[in-house]
Amino acid sequence: QKEVEQNSGPLSVPEGAIASLNCTYSDRGSQSFFWYRQYSGKSPELIMSIYSNGDKEDGRFTAQLNKASQYVSLLIRDSQPSDSATYLCAVKGYSSASKIIFGSGTRLSIRP
Amino acid sequence: DTEVTQTPKHLVMGMTNKKSLKCEQHMGHRAMYWYKQKAKKPPELMFVYSYEKLSINESVPSRFSPECPNSSLLNLHLHALQPEDSALYLCASSQVTGANEQFFGPGTRLTVL
Repeated sequence: QKEVEQNSGPLSVPEGAIASLNCTYSDRGSQSFFWYRQYSGKSPELIMSIYSNGDKEDGRFTAQLNKASQYVSLLIRDSQPSDSATYLCAVKGYSSASKIIFGSGTRLSIRP
Repeated sequence: DTEVTQTPKHLVMGMTNKKSLKCEQHMGHRAMYWYKQKAKKPPELMFVYSYEKLSINESVPSRFSPECPNSSLLNLHLHALQPEDSALYLCASSQVTGANEQFFGPGTRLTVL
């Protein structure tokens, strides 16, 4: 079983709609959860961090965490063509030595 | 200054060449990282430096040699690479190794001929 799992996509969403990206993880001790956006040929850019159960909103982005279900998601409201990218879910364990484990990413395509 | 910079942006080298990748951050971060990313794959951790000391080596071949001259700089020395080493090499930093958020530089696109 992969440690961090994401659907590879592509996920095609019409412009203006809500894009929903999902991620599951295997380590119950995980404490920190991140979403990175990566445009083709560019480096990953941190867009959201979440540490507690529930929702965290930042502009058009909402991260949702459910530790009991080992599930984290990212919602993008009012999707724009510029949101078309690969979204990497990343998870970090409790100890200071824990590495960040990346999922393989979901490719999101916003169609006009 | 809230960014990580990397040079060069692109590098083409032969299998017998020696070259170096450079990374710099001025955020006062004390942990720095090297990752390797192949196309359509997530970043793979190579090395972690904490307070200028190597703390993690993910069993990386010795043809990759990291160096941390000071708290702002991180180098990756390359020697006798193979074509399969062609990839995007990413530097990242965080406040400390236990800190949660890592920030990536723009990367160096390496091609080994």
